[in-house]
Amino acid sequence: DQQVKQNSPSLSVQEGRISILNCDYTNSMFDYFLWYKKYPAEGPTFLISISSIKDKNEDGRFTVFLNKSAKHLSLHIVPSQPGDSAVYFCASFSSGSARQLTFGSGTQLTVLP
Amino acid sequence: KAGVTQTPRYLIKTRGQQVTLSCSPISGHRSVSWYQQTPGQGLQFLFEYFSETQRNKGNFPGRFSGRQFSNSRSEMNVSTLELGDSALYLCASRRGKDTQYFGPGTRLTVL
Repeated sequence: DQQVKQNSPSLSVQEGRISILNCDYTNSMFDYFLWYKKYPAEGPTFLISISSIKDKNEDGRFTVFLNKSAKHLSLHIVPSQPGDSAVYFCASFSSGSARQLTFGSGTQLTVLP
Repeated sequence: KAGVTQTPRYLIKTRGQQVTLSCSPISGHRSVSWYQQTPGQGLQFLFEYFSETQRNKGNFPGRFSGRQFSNSRSEMNVSTLELGDSALYLCASRRGKDTQYFGPGTRLTVL
């Protein structure tokens, strides 16, 4: 039972354009959401997070949107750069219980020069 | 501030052997969690330690165990290795309720 789903295994975007990565969750107890970026053979690098009390959080080129009623979140990268090419994971946890992260399966983003 | 460090970075073992992986969290972080990443199962939670106590455990067999020391450093042990244990093992640390920060991982290959 996948509680966090990233339905697009890959995404290609032209440099300078917007990248939109999507994530859906099924567990209504999740109230904190994070995005990580990962290169092969390295650990995930934290990008941005959002609490369920917000619907948007912005940090530089990265913005995360949360739609609680749809149980959907998205990560926008504007403008996209070739160095953004990596696998992006969304992850969630319930702050009311143990803070183990439940990860999606990841989306491979390729930014074309 | 130094990040999460994991040793060794690469390890090759044979079936039936046992292995111990080490993780040093970010200074001041008292919680350490372990995750396994495989191509088939993705990133899966193994367990979390806080103040030398296991607080939470994922759905893994008892061959997977861990411990945490008084300086918050943690070790993970896998006994009676199986081919399917080949994976990238990731350690993450956090302070309080904050975000988890990951180390570079240990790539374990079981032959």
